Amino acid sequence: DAGITQSPRHKVTETGTPVTLRCHQTENHRYMYWYRQDPGHGLRLIHYSYGVKDTDKGEVSDGYSVSRSKTEDFLLTLESATSSQTSVYFCAIRGGTGFPTDTQYFGPGTRLTVL
Amino acid sequence: AQKITQTQPGMFVQEKEAVTLDCTYDTSDPSYGLFWYKQPSSGEMIFLIYQGSYDQQNATEGRYSLNFQKARKSANLVISASQLGDSAMYFCAMREGPGGQGNLIFGKGTKLSVKP
Repeated sequence: DAGITQSPRHKVTETGTPVTLRCHQTENHRYMYWYRQDPGHGLRLIHYSYGVKDTDKGEVSDGYSVSRSKTEDFLLTLESATSSQTSVYFCAIRGGTGFPTDTQYFGPGTRLTVL
Repeated sequence: AQKITQTQPGMFVQEKEAVTLDCTYDTSDPSYGLFWYKQPSSGEMIFLIYQGSYDQQNATEGRYSLNFQKARKSANLVISASQLGDSAMYFCAMREGPGGQGNLIFGKGTKLSVKP
């Protein structure tokens, strides 16, 4: 158990509204990630963070922003949600006791529906 | 070009038999890592096994083993003695660069169904 929680777990919103997803970890990991999972695409990296206030873009970052003001929280924001952002969003951390240090461990996921 | 290719969208296996899930990768970096994850119908992503590019032996974790053929750039997952609980999506992933660096690139997954 990598101590990762995501909130909310499910959300339905309307096109054009802002949405923020939260990832919280309890084990002081430096690296955190946001992915989206869509049928036929596997997992694709949206943004990642390598420390407080240090973030970078991933493969599918358009339409998303992130913030990390403290080690334990990594926020993903959809400034103006679109139907194409309907997806399952996973947060991950890297590293963990007893495992290869660059293995990523995932949170339970957030299912987001944009109507 | 895809960096990680899983050519089997879906597979069936009889309970108690072994099954191999294919994964090929593409990288020019001599240092990389390969990972397999399981995603049951409940949705969570579960880490199964890891193979480093410099590891001399194939990785094993219980009933899971990784058939690593470096020259062929393949990293197939072998599940021995399949169980009904093995029914899930399986994802192969690669990290380019030395350990501690680089992000994961995922394949599109293989759906495994275990028949009783």
